[in-house]
Amino acid sequence: KAGVTQTPRYLIKTRGQQVTLSCSPISGHRSVSWYQQTPGQGLQFLFEYFSETQRNKGNFPGRFSGRQFSNSRSEMNVSTLELGDSALYLCASSSRGFHEQYFGPGTRLTVT
Amino acid sequence: AQSVTQLGSHVSVSEGALVLLRCNYSSSVPPYLFWYVQYPNQGLQLLLKYTTGATLVKGINGFEAEFKKSETSFHLTKPSAHMSDAAEYFCAVSYSGGSNYKLTFGKGTLLTVNP
Repeated sequence: KAGVTQTPRYLIKTRGQQVTLSCSPISGHRSVSWYQQTPGQGLQFLFEYFSETQRNKGNFPGRFSGRQFSNSRSEMNVSTLELGDSALYLCASSSRGFHEQYFGPGTRLTVT
Repeated sequence: AQSVTQLGSHVSVSEGALVLLRCNYSSSVPPYLFWYVQYPNQGLQLLLKYTTGATLVKGINGFEAEFKKSETSFHLTKPSAHMSDAAEYFCAVSYSGGSNYKLTFGKGTLLTVNP
């Protein structure tokens, strides 16, 4: 099976802009989670979707949002970018009822 | 609330030596425990997991971990380090039961392997 894919791999944006990141889960996986990884804060949970519904949300401002489509693909959006949003954004998928998550390669976002 | 503590942000070993990376967790309900590895500029790769059953868990690349409920620990070991093991390792915990599938990660341990 193909693994989790994320596009784009690298992105450079300017403060105040918005950005959309995409994630395609492993075939058959219906749960998709997003994490932010920074040197200072480590790995932090953003949100999790299952069957197009957000089930869990981390402690991030409303500028961070996401959605999931009927084919389980997911997108996350960050509006009004700030310098502190520079990070590696990781997407992970899991099969229903299983807690282990499989991660994609990540999208490296740089905000200037 | 659940949390994970990884003792030692940086561990250095010689090639062929024992690798021991420490992880302690706090959870008010039975945990699911995981170790992930991250190589530079890559995502996280699942090394091994503990859900239920046998407390000694074997994973990929010769790694294993033992779940010790009394010590709330899930330390990762490998008998003989290889140069290719140099990477960052993350311990993570998830709740069992319910619909909370969020992973809570430790801060990570960077493993250096010296020739």
